[in-house]
Amino acid sequence: ELKVEQNPLFLSMQEGKNYTIYCNYSTTSDRLYWYRQDPGKSLESLFVLLSNGAVKQEGRLMASLDTKARLSTLHITAAVHDLSATYFCAVENSNYQLIWGAGTKLIIKP
Amino acid sequence: NAGVTQTPKFRILKIGQSMTLQCTQDMNHNYMYWYRQDPGMGLKLIYYSVGAGITDKGEVPNGYNVSRSTTEDFPLRLELAAPSQTSVYFCASSTSGTGARKLFFGSGTQLSVL
Repeated sequence: ELKVEQNPLFLSMQEGKNYTIYCNYSTTSDRLYWYRQDPGKSLESLFVLLSNGAVKQEGRLMASLDTKARLSTLHITAAVHDLSATYFCAVENSNYQLIWGAGTKLIIKP
Repeated sequence: NAGVTQTPKFRILKIGQSMTLQCTQDMNHNYMYWYRQDPGMGLKLIYYSVGAGITDKGEVPNGYNVSRSTTEDFPLRLELAAPSQTSVYFCASSTSGTGARKLFFGSGTQLSVL
């Protein structure tokens, strides 16, 4: 059974700093997704990673996938307040269903 | 460009009551999903559908039913509401095929069962 673990679950950081969120998963998969959720809102797709070594970047966010290590990272560069949100990773299992991590609540302080 | 539309946004039910959560998408997506999100948790798949007339159970289907009579609509039925069904419910849709399964979500329904 595929399990997805994110860490940290909560992160408070200062503007301008860099940090990384980690997403580990327990069984083989080469499809991983990152989503963002603002408080009380729905989920918005950020990145789709479909192969080993895939790297995607948008603005201050960069996501990567290492399928051999069963690990994805979401790196935040020079954080700004607008990036405060909860970030979820989701991994596609053998039945093409998404299994979700618990989310990382990110608070960026001015 | 409506995308995925869910109704209602909020609902309070008494134990044992029934209700239907409505979901409609206008993107002609074959795949549709119902998830629940409990506080501080990731999403759990309740039911999904790969096309009109075809539905299947997800991780947590007990206490729920679905139907898919058209491509656009995918309602979720709660027959005998229980406090354990208090949650936020999201409907989503995606394209089919072997490509990336990027999901488009509705705005969610916050349900309380008291």
